[in-house]
Amino acid sequence: GAVVSQHPSWVICKSGTSVKIECRSLDFQATTMFWYRQFPKQSLMLMATSNEGSKATYEQGVEKDKFLINHASLTLSTLTVTSAHPEDSSFYICSARAIGLAGSFLYEQYFGPGTRLTVT
Amino acid sequence: GQNIDQPTEMTATEGAIVQINCTYQTSGFNGLFWYQQHAGEAPTFLSYNVLDGLEEKGRFSSFLSRSKGYSYLLLKELQMKDSASYLCAVIDSNYQLIWGAGTKLIIKP
Repeated sequence: GAVVSQHPSWVICKSGTSVKIECRSLDFQATTMFWYRQFPKQSLMLMATSNEGSKATYEQGVEKDKFLINHASLTLSTLTVTSAHPEDSSFYICSARAIGLAGSFLYEQYFGPGTRLTVT
Repeated sequence: GQNIDQPTEMTATEGAIVQINCTYQTSGFNGLFWYQQHAGEAPTFLSYNVLDGLEEKGRFSSFLSRSKGYSYLLLKELQMKDSASYLCAVIDSNYQLIWGAGTKLIIKP
């Protein structure tokens, strides 16, 4: 149980275009989802925390107008990278917190497989 | 500020034992996770400690001392597939997950 999917798994786009990444909890409801970014050989960097039905909370230094997050349902959150530039090329990972899910630890996060974005 | 320290990189031999340490200074404590991350993949859950002591799960064990702000992950009978980064993460008083930078473990035959 507690599977999180991401789509697409990889995407190549041209500079100036926008890219949408979907994160879905497949077998549980996720009131909270997280978006991370990870550059090569670096650790996870939390970008924003997304709660269903409310605005996302962005970490310091993350541009909310550039990284649009929508969490419209308990099983889906989307991250849209607007006007992408080569420096946005990275590995984007979402996770979902499954509070109350049988067999999970309190505040455990389940990760999606990640989306590798390359902006040319 | 909040801080989690782990060694950047460690090397061990196949079949041996390795201990990866993690020290933390956070605003409150509500548990500590260890995750494994292979290159190009998302992290996967290894262990969770909220009380002092040792939690054993197969070849992997995790230890916690809350008074010392210290945890370690112990990997026994190392296999080549254990080559990965190991991430320590602490849940703070606001129930946010604070991540360490990760320890890259290299296993040599």
